[in-house]
Amino acid sequence: SQTIHQWPATLVQPVGSPLSLECTVEGTSNPNLYWYRQAAGRGLQLLFYSVGIGQISSEVPQNLSASRPQDRQFILSSKKLLLSDSGFYLCAWSLGGSNSPLHFGNGTRLTVT
Amino acid sequence: GENVEQHPSTLSVQEGDSAVIKCTYSDSASNYFPWYKQELGKRPQLIIDIRSNVGEKKDQRIAVTLNKTAKHFSLHITETQPEDSAVYFCAASPDYKLSFGAGTTVTVRA
Repeated sequence: SQTIHQWPATLVQPVGSPLSLECTVEGTSNPNLYWYRQAAGRGLQLLFYSVGIGQISSEVPQNLSASRPQDRQFILSSKKLLLSDSGFYLCAWSLGGSNSPLHFGNGTRLTVT
Repeated sequence: GENVEQHPSTLSVQEGDSAVIKCTYSDSASNYFPWYKQELGKRPQLIIDIRSNVGEKKDQRIAVTLNKTAKHFSLHITETQPEDSAVYFCAASPDYKLSFGAGTTVTVRA
């Protein structure tokens, strides 16, 4: 069966510091991969998605970036965090192709101080 | 892109009563409509989904209906229980990008 791992679970970082969140998927090949952000008490905002290695699409202009160095690895990064980057970050995967359910990781709660 | 609106934002029901959440979408090409449940501090989890070739789908106490002509779909929870208390999100997708509604906080009163 497929599993998704996301870490760390919580993170407190000062403004201006870098960020790296990592996500890996096991048990499937060539998944679609996604990064979502959820502000406190709010909905799910799609940040990035990838349909293959090295293929990254950005949905929202911001100071975040994403990379997919391996088929089942997805990384969210920032060079300098802003206060507004605080939130609950969720990695997700779906089967390649369209119209497949999203399966979310456990999330990373990021607090920028 | 797809725009999904969800109502109501909060819903309080007496245990045993039914709960209904409604969503509308903008992109007529959308053909996949999942519903997620998110408990406090946890990840969203898929509870039911429907594809555009089906008008209704049921799984025990949960059912979803879809009206493609009107571009709206609804979640129905019958015989609500305290463990149904959570935030529920609808979503729609014409391809592999899901657009989510803003969520409905459901509280089941004992």
